[in-house]
Amino acid sequence: DAGVTQSPTHLIKTRGQQVTLRCSPISGHKSVSWYQQVLGQGPQFIFQYYEKEERGRGNFPDRFSARQFPNYSSELNVNALLLGDSALYLCASSMGPGTGGVEQYFGPGTRLTVT
Amino acid sequence: GDSVTQMEGPVTLSEEAFLTINCTYTATGYPSLFWYVQYPGEGLQLLLKATKADDKGSNKGFEATYRKETTSFHLEKGSVQVSDSAVYFCALSGGGYQKVTFGTGTKLQVIP
Repeated sequence: DAGVTQSPTHLIKTRGQQVTLRCSPISGHKSVSWYQQVLGQGPQFIFQYYEKEERGRGNFPDRFSARQFPNYSSELNVNALLLGDSALYLCASSMGPGTGGVEQYFGPGTRLTVT
Repeated sequence: GDSVTQMEGPVTLSEEAFLTINCTYTATGYPSLFWYVQYPGEGLQLLLKATKADDKGSNKGFEATYRKETTSFHLEKGSVQVSDSAVYFCALSGGGYQKVTFGTGTKLQVIP
């Protein structure tokens, strides 16, 4: 079975531009979460979506937004890009909305470079 | 807020050496605790987890015990292999949604 897939793999953008990252969860998984991993750091939680509704939001500015589609895939949008947005963006999926010890499966990530 | 502190790397060990990576956490309530591993060029993988105090998570020879009294979840392996070379992240999850809070990661290099 296919794991979590993300596209594109790499992306280079200029400051001030907008970017859209895409994620397809594992078949049967209805929850998608997004994380930002800056080089040398651990991932930071951005959003969780379940059944097209936002379930949780991390400490990120309003320039970051996301949505989930009826097929449970998801997009992360970042507006007015800053140099500091350069990072690996990870998508994770899980079966349900559960909390705590629910296992999340991570995709390979999209490497965003802002110049 | 929730936070995870883990020992800084890189950690360099010879093959068959004993491994310990220290991890402590701060959280309200009773979080679940995880160790994730990131192999070179690959995504994050869950290595093991523990969901309540005194639970021991184990996988692939790695073990960690949820110690509530010391708020710790140290990762151990009795005999490391070159193939264990990777970055290891301690993490916790709690609250009403699936936010996972990660430590900064510890890079392990095992030399033959």
